[in-house]
Amino acid sequence: DTAVSQTPKYLVTQMGNDKSIKCEQNLGHDTMYWYKQDSKKFLKIMFSYNNKELIINETVPNRFSPKSPDKAHLNLHINSLELGDSAVYFCASRYRENTEAFFGQGTRLTVV
Amino acid sequence: RKEVEQDPGPFNVPEGATVAFNCTYSNSASQSFFWYRQDCRKEPKLLMSVYSSGNEDGRFTAQLNRASQYISLLIRDSKLSDSATYLCVVTPYTGGFKTIFGAGTRLFVKA
Repeated sequence: DTAVSQTPKYLVTQMGNDKSIKCEQNLGHDTMYWYKQDSKKFLKIMFSYNNKELIINETVPNRFSPKSPDKAHLNLHINSLELGDSAVYFCASRYRENTEAFFGQGTRLTVV
Repeated sequence: RKEVEQDPGPFNVPEGATVAFNCTYSNSASQSFFWYRQDCRKEPKLLMSVYSSGNEDGRFTAQLNRASQYISLLIRDSKLSDSATYLCVVTPYTGGFKTIFGAGTRLFVKA
């Protein structure tokens, strides 16, 4: 069983569209994250939820909206996609602070 | 100054070589430290945690120097399979939900 799973794995879409990426973890962790890895391979934290509560919200455009229906799921909705949103988006979870983070396989988003 | 800095490399080494990477961090209150490994087009995976007393796992040794604010990773007897990007990860303060990733150091091990 995959511990942290994201869908879709690949997403190609046109500018201006709205898209969602889903993430689920079966590790029983309380904390989940969204990271963005751009073309320079720099991995930046975007959001974090702890037990469905938003605890980290980095400087991210309002077009990005995370949603956590329960502590096993963290979805990312992106409105009005722009070329600069093209990147790999990783979901991650961890048991508690200062422990290992487990990553999903990533969603490679290409905006054309 | 960036919160976490790494030499991006690439480091090109022959099989069997010993190679070392350093990573510096800017926040002296940083609490926890890790090395992750990321293969091309894959997700990052934990390689090892870095404790104040250091940490060794087979051919891999990690050290923490709080006074100089850096962590290091030493790989002995490099294998072809060690080729990857090594990411330094720092939790900058207590209540460590936020983790900061370095940009990574690329390692190529050649036959």
